[in-house]
Amino acid sequence: DAGVIQSPRHEVTEMGQEVTLRCKPISGHNSLFWYRQTMMRGLELLIYFNNNVPIDDSGMPEDRFSAKMPNASFSTLKIQPSEPRDSAVYFCASSFWTSEFAGELFFGEGSRLTVL
Amino acid sequence: QKEVEQNSGPLSVPEGAIASLNCTYSDRGSQSFFWYRQYSGKSPELIMSIYSNGDKEDGRFTAQLNKASQYVSLLIRDSQPSDSATYLCAAFSAGGTSYGKLTFGQGTILTVHP
Repeated sequence: DAGVIQSPRHEVTEMGQEVTLRCKPISGHNSLFWYRQTMMRGLELLIYFNNNVPIDDSGMPEDRFSAKMPNASFSTLKIQPSEPRDSAVYFCASSFWTSEFAGELFFGEGSRLTVL
Repeated sequence: QKEVEQNSGPLSVPEGAIASLNCTYSDRGSQSFFWYRQYSGKSPELIMSIYSNGDKEDGRFTAQLNKASQYVSLLIRDSQPSDSATYLCAAFSAGGTSYGKLTFGQGTILTVHP
């Protein structure tokens, strides 16, 4: 298996532009996670899906952020409009979870976003 | 209070020494605990998981869990320069009728110097 695949690896954009990050989870995993990592705040959970359904989006910073998972093999994280404070590395991770068991999270290589 | 707290570091140890990384958590309902390693510029990768009180050993790594004290630790024996990385502690709380939550600590930077 190729692992979790994220694109783009690097994105530089100007404030106010729309940014779309993409993720393909590992086949057979039922849970998908979007994390944001900065030096100041560490690794923060933004949202996670189980069986394509959003379970917890309490980490989404504000309405400018949205995430979708239209099927088991694809998810997007969108920021519109983007702001400089959104600059971070965004990780997608997938796993097999149940309500009582958390399997290992497999992380993608991350998307490094810079908003000028 | 943060839900998962790690010793702030950075931690520096000489090659061959034991590195001790500590983590406390606030949710008594947490059931599963994980240690991830993250090299600079890379994504986190799992090195240990622990689910019950006591010690769990895997090669040079030993995870220790004390649920009464809400404390998790990771010991790295015979530390090598290649162990230099950020170590992230994570705690999973099952949701019962809803799905659970995995919370990461801020991470501890470990440097092993020759």
